[in-house]
Amino acid sequence: EAGVAQSPRYKIIEKRQSVAFWCNPISGHATLYWYQQILGQGPKLLIQFQNNGVVDDSQLPKDRFSAERLKGVDSTLKIQPAKLEDSAVYLCASSFTSGANVLTFGAGSRLTVL
Amino acid sequence: SQELEQSPQSLIVQEGKNLTINCTSSKTLYGLYWYKQKYGEGLIFLMMLQKGGEEKSHEKITAKLDEKKQQSSLHITASQPSHAGIYLCGADGGNQFYFGTGTSLTVIP
Repeated sequence: EAGVAQSPRYKIIEKRQSVAFWCNPISGHATLYWYQQILGQGPKLLIQFQNNGVVDDSQLPKDRFSAERLKGVDSTLKIQPAKLEDSAVYLCASSFTSGANVLTFGAGSRLTVL
Repeated sequence: SQELEQSPQSLIVQEGKNLTINCTSSKTLYGLYWYKQKYGEGLIFLMMLQKGGEEKSHEKITAKLDEKKQQSSLHITASQPSHAGIYLCGADGGNQFYFGTGTSLTVIP
């Protein structure tokens, strides 16, 4: 089966610019996750979707970050305006459902903010 | 919220040596997952443990979940350069899936 697709793989922007990341989960996976991984740290959950509804976005900096999953399939994560501390790898993952399920991860989108 | 602490933070071993990585939870674990990450890449699922005392092995990697279900260990026997990467434990905390702080493993040929 096809894996989780993410794009772009790499992005370099200047602070205060905007950026968007795209994720296409595994077909049939109802749950989609966006994680932020800063160099040297474990992934931090930003937002979790169940179909097209938000399950948890408690750690999403909502003043600058937004995410949507309009049709319950693919998802976009946007940052506007970007700050230096947003430099990280943004990982998308999906699972069949929430709960005791294995998450399958995409390769990640590496963002560098100058 | 649930926290997962991993130790050691980093590990450098000679090829052929055995090693152990630990993951300790602040709460009872109902499912503990081990993932591996190569630099610049996504996470690859290794193993899932759900029952206290459970032990699983895949090739030269063995993971255990202790009886009290608050700690897990990952043991690599006869390490190889292909084992190098970042090892992350993860747990299902109800609505959220948490990750540990990560252990960076370097294997010197």
